[in-house]
Amino acid sequence: GESVGLHLPTLSVQEGDNSIINCAYSNSASDYFIWYKQESGKGPQFIIDIRSNMDKRQGQRVTVLLNKTVKHLSLQIAATQPGDSAVYFCAENIHHDYKLSFGAGTTVTVRA
Amino acid sequence: DAGVTQSPTHLIKTRGQQVTLRCSPKSGHDTVSWYQQALGQGPQFIFQYYEEEERQRGNFPDRFSGHQFPNYSSELNVNALLLGDSALYLCASSLRGSNQPQHFGDGTRLSIL
Repeated sequence: GESVGLHLPTLSVQEGDNSIINCAYSNSASDYFIWYKQESGKGPQFIIDIRSNMDKRQGQRVTVLLNKTVKHLSLQIAATQPGDSAVYFCAENIHHDYKLSFGAGTTVTVRA
Repeated sequence: DAGVTQSPTHLIKTRGQQVTLRCSPKSGHDTVSWYQQALGQGPQFIFQYYEEEERQRGNFPDRFSGHQFPNYSSELNVNALLLGDSALYLCASSLRGSNQPQHFGDGTRLSIL
């Protein structure tokens, strides 16, 4: 996890607003990235993934953007809800490697 | 469709003891990885099992060992427990190959006294 980090350890968001969670990585050989959500007392839950041949991928209320030039990854959550409060991790994988390397996480708190 | 299941959910041990944690992968998955998550940190890769063999190992001492069974379930064993082994132990399953999404269970919370 040493090569994956998040810009901010905490993020406070008003309910209904959009959230942007950032992640920087340093290993240029990384070619697969995953965002996870971890609620208190639970394991990481898969949100969305993206491969290095893509710049953007959309899911339900979430969008992941990948900028390989500056080694930056972001997760955008549309219309943030109280249930989105959790710790968010980005994880990276190098091709032909099997482990995921995680950053320290960003704690998102949604204000009513 | 059952996801990844782990047992037990909580465990308390004393220094020097040994522990075995268990994991059943998500239906259709044949690969199991184990991670250690200290409080306030991201998960750290311990090792991965595929075809009943350890395929890759992270930076953990050989006190940490594992096993995968023919039905793809897996065990994590830790010998000579240290206080620093207190953590959440997570199991993740996936399809074989790299660049595959790993799906996690809710973990076993291990406390060492």
